[in-house]
Amino acid sequence: AQSVTQLDSHVSVSEGTPVLLRCNYSSSYSPSLFWYVQHPNKGLQLLLKYTSAATLVKGINGFEAEFKKSETSFHLTKPSAHMSDAAEYFCVVIIRNTNAGKSTFGDGTTLTVKP
Amino acid sequence: DAMVIQNPRYQVTQFGKPVTLSCSQTLNHNVMYWYQQKSSQAPKLLFHYYDKDFNNEADTPDNFQSRRPNTSFCFLDIRSPGLGDAAMYLCATATTQAPREAFFGQGTRLTVV
Repeated sequence: AQSVTQLDSHVSVSEGTPVLLRCNYSSSYSPSLFWYVQHPNKGLQLLLKYTSAATLVKGINGFEAEFKKSETSFHLTKPSAHMSDAAEYFCVVIIRNTNAGKSTFGDGTTLTVKP
Repeated sequence: DAMVIQNPRYQVTQFGKPVTLSCSQTLNHNVMYWYQQKSSQAPKLLFHYYDKDFNNEADTPDNFQSRRPNTSFCFLDIRSPGLGDAAMYLCATATTQAPREAFFGQGTRLTVV
């Protein structure tokens, strides 16, 4: 079985300050881990993915995440928030050794960016 | 450049009137998913196709059906929409090769009146 816990349902930062969105996972097998962003009334856009290569993963729009197996974490960070980063963020785990590779979603974190 | 296309983007249907949402892909992925996403919630998987093999989630209501006539197209049929079925419906595709990331369409916002 696999599960994902996003530790904060809401995060609020000021523009120009760092962003930290936290994600912990549990998985019986080697996982692939992803962060997606969703703006209002839009689909999900992939920010970055971890696939057992480098543990520090760089994504789009200046986001990055570090896979820490010992802590079963995959936290998303950005050095400096921009107003356009305000959105819903989902951490997702996929188990690689199943045919369909079903995604398990965290509950999401709403990021608010204040001017 | 759109790779997973959902139509329409917004759909209004009457209570109890059958409605079909469509999804097409240009990625030639063999796995296609349908998710339901209600306000302020994570997407919830309804069912998926692995090639032609249909896989229903245990808690997906019978009111929801799906068809996949070929690799490129997948349809979500809601036989008798209720007010509780109002939601964003997301289609996604994936391959079976690592990392199996899902590619999402823009979604269809369904309103039931």
